[in-house]
Amino acid sequence: KAGVTQTPRYLIKTRGQQVTLSCSPISGHRSVSWYQQTPGQGLQFLFEYFSETQRNKGNFPGRFSGRQFSNSRSEMNVSTLELGDSALYLCASSLAGAGEQYFGPGTRLTVT
Amino acid sequence: QKEVEQNSRPLSVPEGAIASLNCTYSDRGSQSFFWYRQYSGKSPELIMSIYSNGDKEDGRFTAQLNKASQYVSLLIRDSQPSDSATYLCAVRGFPNFGNEKLTFGTGTRLTIIP
Repeated sequence: KAGVTQTPRYLIKTRGQQVTLSCSPISGHRSVSWYQQTPGQGLQFLFEYFSETQRNKGNFPGRFSGRQFSNSRSEMNVSTLELGDSALYLCASSLAGAGEQYFGPGTRLTVT
Repeated sequence: QKEVEQNSRPLSVPEGAIASLNCTYSDRGSQSFFWYRQYSGKSPELIMSIYSNGDKEDGRFTAQLNKASQYVSLLIRDSQPSDSATYLCAVRGFPNFGNEKLTFGTGTRLTIIP
């Protein structure tokens, strides 16, 4: 079974720009969660989607948003990028959210 | 108090010895507990999950859960150099709608010395 895939793997953006990251979950998984990982803050929860609905949201500003499509693929968007948004963005999928979560390889975002 | 705490001090263990990693959590209603391994530059990889008090063994790995003490640990027997990584503890609260997120500790960096 194919694992979680994320695109792109690496991204360099300029302050003020916006970015969209994509995540395809493991086949059959309906829950997708997004996390931001930085050396200083560790793994921080952004949001979780299940059946195209956002079920949980972390403590991030409104510049961070996401959505999920009917095929369970998910995207997250960050608008008006700041230097502090430089991080590894990880998505994780699970069957229904309450089970085990499996991570994708991540998207390394650098904001200059 | 952090929701999930791990010893941030790096841990070094000789090859073949037992590595012991610990984690405490603050939410007494937590129901699900996970250990992830993360190699440098890679994403976290799930290695163990545990849901009830006691021990759960999988190969060289044993997860231990004590809900009364709000404590979960991971033992790695016969440690190998390939076990050198950062180990992340993750906790999920009671699975009500809206509480499915995982809260992670900051991780413990383990180095196995040949």
